[in-house]
Amino acid sequence: EVQLVESGGGLVQPGGSLRLSCAASGFTFSNYWMTWVRQAPGKGLEWVANINQHGTESYYVDSVKGRFTISRDNAKNSLYLQMNSLRDEDTAVYFCAKDTSTQLWSYYFDQWGQGTLVTVSS
Amino acid sequence: DIQMTQSPSTLSASVGDRVTITCRASQSISSWLAWYQQKPGKAPKLLIYKASTLESGVPSRFSGSGSGTEFTLTISSLQPDDFATFYCQQYNGYPRTFGQGTKVEIK
Repeated sequence: EVQLVESGGGLVQPGGSLRLSCAASGFTFSNYWMTWVRQAPGKGLEWVANINQHGTESYYVDSVKGRFTISRDNAKNSLYLQMNSLRDEDTAVYFCAKDTSTQLWSYYFDQWGQGTLVTVSS
Repeated sequence: DIQMTQSPSTLSASVGDRVTITCRASQSISSWLAWYQQKPGKAPKLLIYKASTLESGVPSRFSGSGSGTEFTLTISSLQPDDFATFYCQQYNGYPRTFGQGTKVEIK
């Protein structure tokens, strides 16, 4: 059974930093693109970033470029999101999601974690 | 960025109704479109990919169609478990983008 378990969320002041983790199990983690998606309270889904199987290629939504960094450790079956210079508008539940792609191009997401809440507030 | 626009934003329907949700892309995305269902407090669940392919385990009352810029998700006979919010998502270009969501409510 595929499991994705996020951790690391919490309350942080504007301008602060937080590192989210996603522990994966039940599939060969190193074969798949992985993604972070967020959802602000009462709002829709927003794709944040993704990373290829080897950790050598990543993409970001413009609003987080230069502030967030996605990374992975295939030896530990883990995905990360380092979030710096946090803003009020980054407040959201952050979901880790498994892409279906084992190829050069990422696709859609067939497995999701339960999410971890990040609250940016003074 | 490719903008995804869903309509309607909210839909009131009864059990047994046929329901159709539309998703329009701001430019052609071929058939690179997925649909998800999300219930309150839960993670999204994949329903359909490549515009019309049903994910394994998803009931056959769900179907998808379209290509290019216009897509539809249809529920042939709405069931009590289907009341939720539905999102489309394109995977033709970066950034990946979702529609704003369509909430299906009980009439």
